[in-house]
Amino acid sequence: QVQLQESGPGLLKPSQTLSLTCSVSGGSVSSGNHYWSWIRQPAGTGLEWIGRIYASGTTQYRSSLNSRVTISVDTSKNQFSLKLASVTAADTAVYYCARGSYDILTGEESREDYWGQGTLVTVSS
Amino acid sequence: DIQMTQSPSSLSASVGDRVTITCRAGQSISNYVNWYQQKPGKAPKLLIYTASNLQSGVPSRFSGSRSGTHFTLTISNLQPEDFATYYCQQTYTTPPLFGQGTKLEIK
Repeated sequence: QVQLQESGPGLLKPSQTLSLTCSVSGGSVSSGNHYWSWIRQPAGTGLEWIGRIYASGTTQYRSSLNSRVTISVDTSKNQFSLKLASVTAADTAVYYCARGSYDILTGEESREDYWGQGTLVTVSS
Repeated sequence: DIQMTQSPSSLSASVGDRVTITCRAGQSISNYVNWYQQKPGKAPKLLIYTASNLQSGVPSRFSGSRSGTHFTLTISNLQPEDFATYYCQQTYTTPPLFGQGTKLEIK
């Protein structure tokens, strides 16, 4: 059974860098037909996709965050990470990491099939 | 970006009812829509992928369909544990945006 667990500081000041890590168990971040996503949810609102990284190292980011966000993988620790620079109160949210799967032959049919429990990050002075 | 317009935003129903939730894509996206269920304080859970494929372990009372750019999640014979918020997600292009959500409440 694949399990994901987010970790990182829960309180940041404006202009600091948000750094979260997602530890993966029951599966490998190097797996060929998977990718690793970060998704956030401000209180009382919907889900906002942040970005993802494929086993190949290819990354894709939400364009509105592109200049501030970096997703990376550490295969030695079976973890992947999110860094979001220059945070503001608007970045306050529950942050989820998730595993995505897709059809390895077509590259299609992507979906987030395993999720971490989420971690609340608050940005406040 | 391809926006997903989800409706209704909220819905009241009773145990045993059949309900439908709809997402409309801003353009043709083939079958590339997923559906998730989220309960308060919990992570979303994948129910349906690529419009109509039931995720392993999900009860068969959940089903998905597509008609053009309209996608529907149907829940038959509502159970008490089904009262939650539901989201669609398009995966045709990046970014894979989510709909605004539908909160399903007990009548």
